[in-house]
Amino acid sequence: GAVVSQHPSRVICKSGTSVKIECRSLDFQATTMFWYRQFPKQSLMLMATSNEGSKATYEQGVEKDKFLINHASLTLSTLTVTSAHPEDSSFYICSARLAGGPYEQYFGPGTRLTVT
Amino acid sequence: AQSVTQLDSQVPVFEEAPVELRCNYSSSVSVYLFWYVQYPNQGLQLLLKYLSGSTLVKGINGFEAEFNKSQTSFHLRKPSVHISDTAEYFCAVISPWDSGGYQKVTFGIGTKLQVIP
Repeated sequence: GAVVSQHPSRVICKSGTSVKIECRSLDFQATTMFWYRQFPKQSLMLMATSNEGSKATYEQGVEKDKFLINHASLTLSTLTVTSAHPEDSSFYICSARLAGGPYEQYFGPGTRLTVT
Repeated sequence: AQSVTQLDSQVPVFEEAPVELRCNYSSSVSVYLFWYVQYPNQGLQLLLKYLSGSTLVKGINGFEAEFNKSQTSFHLRKPSVHISDTAEYFCAVISPWDSGGYQKVTFGIGTKLQVIP
């Protein structure tokens, strides 16, 4: 149980285009989802916390107009990287917390974004 | 402020030997502590967690960790490692929910465990 999927697993896009990444909780409802970014050989950096039906809370230094987060349902959150640039290339990981559950997060497999 | 320090970036250890991966944290409030494992090009998998109660927690794959409040540590241990334990391990602290529904999450930089045959 508690499986989280991400789509796509890998994406290559050209500079200036936008890319949407989906995060789904497959077998549970997630009132809260988290989006992380991981640079090579570094830790996960929390980008934003997304609560279903409300605006996401962004961490300091994360551009909300560049990284658009939508949490439209209890099983789906999306991250859209707008006007992507090569420096946005990274591994993006989402996680979900069980509605009413304990504090651990269940992580998706990640999405490798490469901007050329 | 909340922070997590993983003192060792890489830990090489021979197969069947014991291992300890260190994690120290700082926080102005009581936090919940977690260890996650990440295999190459994959997401994170929960190994174990400390929320309250017994300070010694057991997780999957034979790992355990001990919460030490006075030393603000949560070190991960395994008495005998296998080749399959080769991966990156992340310590994380999560604050309780605040009145605004926000939860602070902080990960350590990770420790790469290399099991040598």
